[in-house]
Amino acid sequence: SYELTQPPSVSVSPGQTASITCSGDKLGDKYACWYQQKPGQSPVLVIYQDSKRPSGIPERFSGSNSGNTATLTISGTQAMDEADYYCQAWDSSSGVFGTGTKVTVL
Amino acid sequence: QVQLVQSGAEVKKPGASVKVSCKASGYTFTSYDINWVRQATGQGLEWMGWMNPNSGNTGYAQKFQGRVTMTRNTSISTAYMELSSLRSEDTAVYYCARGIVGPWGQGTLVTVSS
Repeated sequence: SYELTQPPSVSVSPGQTASITCSGDKLGDKYACWYQQKPGQSPVLVIYQDSKRPSGIPERFSGSNSGNTATLTISGTQAMDEADYYCQAWDSSSGVFGTGTKVTVL
Repeated sequence: QVQLVQSGAEVKKPGASVKVSCKASGYTFTSYDINWVRQATGQGLEWMGWMNPNSGNTGYAQKFQGRVTMTRNTSISTAYMELSSLRSEDTAVYYCARGIVGPWGQGTLVTVSS
């Protein structure tokens, strides 16, 4: 079955840039999306179709996808961005989530 | 506003079935797929399957094939996810989500315990 791998954790200082990777076989041939989940809350979509931001998502969130790796970048990270982040892609009409990354804003 | 409201928490015994509902409002129910995702405590997200509310067509993750059934009642804009032969490992929060863009429901905690 298809697998997506993320680093378990990423630490970033306020105002700096956080990059979260998502690795999977030929992931660049698929669309990737990213979800943010804060403790006790339901996930929220922050990036879809590799690099598009839904309405209401701040411009500091951006995405890219090429080769075997999709990347979520948070520029000028704020304390409110501290959360778990999950990538997702579709493989043969089945959804697959990444392993998740906890972003800590120190 | 667009909203998905799920049914309340459930406690089930091993071997039983559970049916979780997801009521949509604020948009045309038949215009977006409904995805079901679960999350065990402290664990990651796990995709279970999707349903097209217009056609009723479904697609299930291989892991749940034969145990999960996704249905809908378009007259009340409600989707359902039924999971059978429950075991302790099925204890999790179950979410419905509108397509990829969302939103997601608030989640339904299903506890499987003897």
